[in-house]
Amino acid sequence: QSVLTQPPSASGTPGQRVTISCSGSSSNIGSYTVNWYQQLPGTAPKLLIYSNDQRPSGVPDRFSGSKSGTSASLAISGLQSEDEADYYCAAWDDSLYGYVFGTGTKVTVL
Amino acid sequence: QVQLVESGGGVVQPGRSLRLSCAASGFIFSTYGMHWVRQAPGKGLEWVAAIWHDGSYKHYADSVKGRFTISRDNSKNTVYLQMNSLRAEDSAVYYCAREPMHTYYFDYWGQGTLVTVSS
Repeated sequence: QSVLTQPPSASGTPGQRVTISCSGSSSNIGSYTVNWYQQLPGTAPKLLIYSNDQRPSGVPDRFSGSKSGTSASLAISGLQSEDEADYYCAAWDDSLYGYVFGTGTKVTVL
Repeated sequence: QVQLVESGGGVVQPGRSLRLSCAASGFIFSTYGMHWVRQAPGKGLEWVAAIWHDGSYKHYADSVKGRFTISRDNSKNTVYLQMNSLRAEDSAVYYCAREPMHTYYFDYWGQGTLVTVSS
């Protein structure tokens, strides 16, 4: 079972801003950087945000990440239809001594 | 361009074994850590195993420890996952992923290979 908790779903109309939360603990988010992955339907995950707030080359600046204490957030501004996907947060966990993913959030564009 | 191509998936009976391969190209394979991540049908992502760039360190999720073995052959640019004593709950799409050393993130993923454990 995942140790990082995300809301199961989020939605918005085109152009709106959507925020996804990721709640962890001192052994994971509280001690390590957070990464976010986007998984479009039927495809492999793709790195979206790394080291809390860094975007890989090619990722639009509509996507932004932040971290505070044992929680992190992903924001999508100017929501577009192609943003419909599952989003996962992830971090290293010292207690489990392994890499942990969030429960995942399905974003729907209304 | 970076490519990771998994192979070796299929249908296998409970208790049997299977070996997955992930062939890498487009980068200096021996300088990256490699991981296996799986996703059961309709479920979320689960990290499975990791191996350092030189193979000197390996680590596993508790759910597979003692049954799965990760290895790599840097001369063949390939990482492997040997899966023994397979269970129904091991059924999933298995992805290999690349980690820039000690960064704790996966910057490239393969397309995945499906493993189904069923009698």
